Order: sequence, then C-alpha cells, then structure tokens
Amino acid sequence: QVQLVQSGAEVKKPGSSVKVSCKASGGTFSSYAISWVRQAPGQGLEWMGGIIPIFGTANYAQKFQGRVTITADESTSTAYMELSSLRSEDTAVYYCARGRVGATMKHAFDIWGQGTMVTVSS
Amino acid sequence: EIVMTQSPATLSVSPGERATLSCRASQSVSSNLAWYQQKPGQAPRLLIYGASTRATGIPARFSGSGSGTEFTLTISSLQSEDFAVYYCQQYNNWPTFGQGTKVEIK
Repeated sequence: QVQLVQSGAEVKKPGSSVKVSCKASGGTFSSYAISWVRQAPGQGLEWMGGIIPIFGTANYAQKFQGRVTITADESTSTAYMELSSLRSEDTAVYYCARGRVGATMKHAFDIWGQGTMVTVSS
Repeated sequence: EIVMTQSPATLSVSPGERATLSCRASQSVSSNLAWYQQKPGQAPRLLIYGASTRATGIPARFSGSGSGTEFTLTISSLQSEDFAVYYCQQYNNWPTFGQGTKVEIK
C-alpha cells in the first residue's frame, strides 16, 4: 500500500520561499501523478498543480503560475513543491495527493499525505 | 476554470437519517466527479469517483449519482463517524473543488 509522507511544519517570512517534500513508499511512484492541494485555515481545498514523475513535466493552476515550482526525484520517490514570494494569504496546510489512475493529473486523488502546515508571518 | 458549487453549506441531520448533498458544475464534467470526506485535522479521504463508484473500503451507505452538471452524494443512514465536511471535485479539466458541505449532528 502506497503511503505519502510529507516534511514538517514551516514558519516563513513574507517574501521568502518554502519547499515542501512528499516521499512515497510501498509502491509505484514514477507513473502516477502527484498533485499539490492546499487548504487555508477554515477554508476549502485548492489544487495548485502537479507532476507525473516519469514524464517530468509539471502543470500548474493559473492562480499559481510563476510562483510555484513542482518537481520530482524518481531516485528517491520524492515530489517537491516550492512556493515563492510568500504572503500571509499563503498560510495553509499543503497536501500532496496521488492520482488514482496513472499518467494523468485529471483524476480523483486516492492517496494523500498527512499535510504540512506553512505559516507566513513577519 | 470549472466552478463547482455545493449546497447546502451546512446540513443538520440526526443519526440514522438520510443525508443528501448536492454539487453543481459550471459546465459539463461528464462523469468525471469525485467526493471526499474530511474530518478535523485529517487529510481528505476519497469516497466516490466516476460520479458513482465507491472507492476501496467505502461502506455501501455512501452512494453517488449524476452526470453532466448535477451530482448528488447520499448517505443512507448517518453513523456517528459520518459527521464531517464533504467536498466534490471535478477532473474533466484541471481539478477544481467545491467549497464543501458540513454535515453536523442535529
């Protein structure tokens, strides 16, 4: 059974960047899309973008274009999400999630990481 | 971007009763729709995909229906562990989520 384990909580200053990792264990990594979804306190879920590691190309939601970079390292079965130019509105829990069907980000997410809290505060 | 709208925002239901949650898409998403359950402090859990297929391990009291722009999640007899927030998500295009429906104890 595949598990996704994320890196720990972060506190960042406005204007800085944060990089969150998501390590897969127990199954196939490269051929399934990994997406990043965030949830601000008390709010709903928001898809930021994703990557299919075997292809290496990421796709991003228009809202985050230019500010987010998603990468993957097949050798360590780890995906990364880096968000730059942080502002207070980026305070949220960031989740990685695996697409239920291989080789597409356009699907339901059947496996989720535990979430990483990112707090942006001066 | 496809906008997903859920109703109601909050649903008050007694244990053992039926709950019906709605989700509407701003344009057709065919049957490319999923439902999730989220409890406080936890990651979302996939309940339904393909509008009506239960994910692995999901009890039969959860059922989904609909296609195109109108979808429904029905919980036939609410158990104590079902009180949570439920989200719909379309994946006909780049994924987008509804704003959620909170199912609370009446």
